[in-house]
Amino acid sequence: DADVTQTPRNRITKTGKRIMLECSQTKGHDRMYWYRQDPGLGLRLIYYSFDVKDINKGEISDGYSVSRQAQAKFSLSLESAIPNQTALYFCATSDPGTGRNIQYFGAGTRLSVL
Amino acid sequence: GESVGLHLPTLSVQEGDNSIINCAYSNSASDYFIWYKQESGKGPQFIIDIRSNMDKRQGQRVTVLLNKTVKHLSLQIAATQPGDSAVYFCAEFVAGGTSYGKLTFGQGTILTVHP
Repeated sequence: DADVTQTPRNRITKTGKRIMLECSQTKGHDRMYWYRQDPGLGLRLIYYSFDVKDINKGEISDGYSVSRQAQAKFSLSLESAIPNQTALYFCATSDPGTGRNIQYFGAGTRLSVL
Repeated sequence: GESVGLHLPTLSVQEGDNSIINCAYSNSASDYFIWYKQESGKGPQFIIDIRSNMDKRQGQRVTVLLNKTVKHLSLQIAATQPGDSAVYFCAEFVAGGTSYGKLTFGQGTILTVHP
C-alpha cells in the first residue's frame, strides 16, 4: 500500500550494530503494527500501537524496541542486531472505526544481519 | 491448505480454472476472518473479509466461505489469472478483550497459475 511507506527497503548490517527501521503513513489511522516474516512462515507480531501513548508488545518483542513519534510515524529498533533477526519486516496500519481491523501493509524492509 | 511447518502448501492451476485455497483456524472466538494476497517483493494486500456470523461473502471474482463447525475458511478465485499467482494468507481477529486489534496469521498457501 503506497500510503504506508517503509524505509529503508533493504538493509545489511553487522552483528551488534544498532539499526532503526522507519514507517510512515498517510492513511490517518491510529493503529500501527510491526511484523516480521521468515521464509515459509506467516507474519509474527513484534509490537503494536493503538495511539501515540499506547504501545504494546507482540508475540516476539525480545530484542526489539519501538517508538511512536507521531500518529503517522512508528519506528522499530534493533538495539544490538543478531543474525537470527535476519528477516522481512512489515509495518501495517488499521482504522478501529470500521470495526473490522483490516490492516494495510507497507512494502517491507529486507534486513540481513551478518 | 494445512500447515506443514516450513514448507508452505502449494496449489498449481491452469489459467481460467477456479482455485480453492483452504485455511484451518484455531480460535473459535474469532469475530472476523481476512484473506490477504502477497506477491513476491510486496507486502500483504487485503482481498476480502467475513464476519463470524456469516457463512459466505462474495467479492469481485472471489468468494470466502466460513464453516465454524469445523473451524475452516476457504477462498475461491474464479477464472484464475496469472496475476493471481502469489502467497495467500488467512488471518483471524477477535474484536474484544486483551487481543483486540491483533490479527493472527496462518502460514500461507502458494498459488501458481500456469498460462
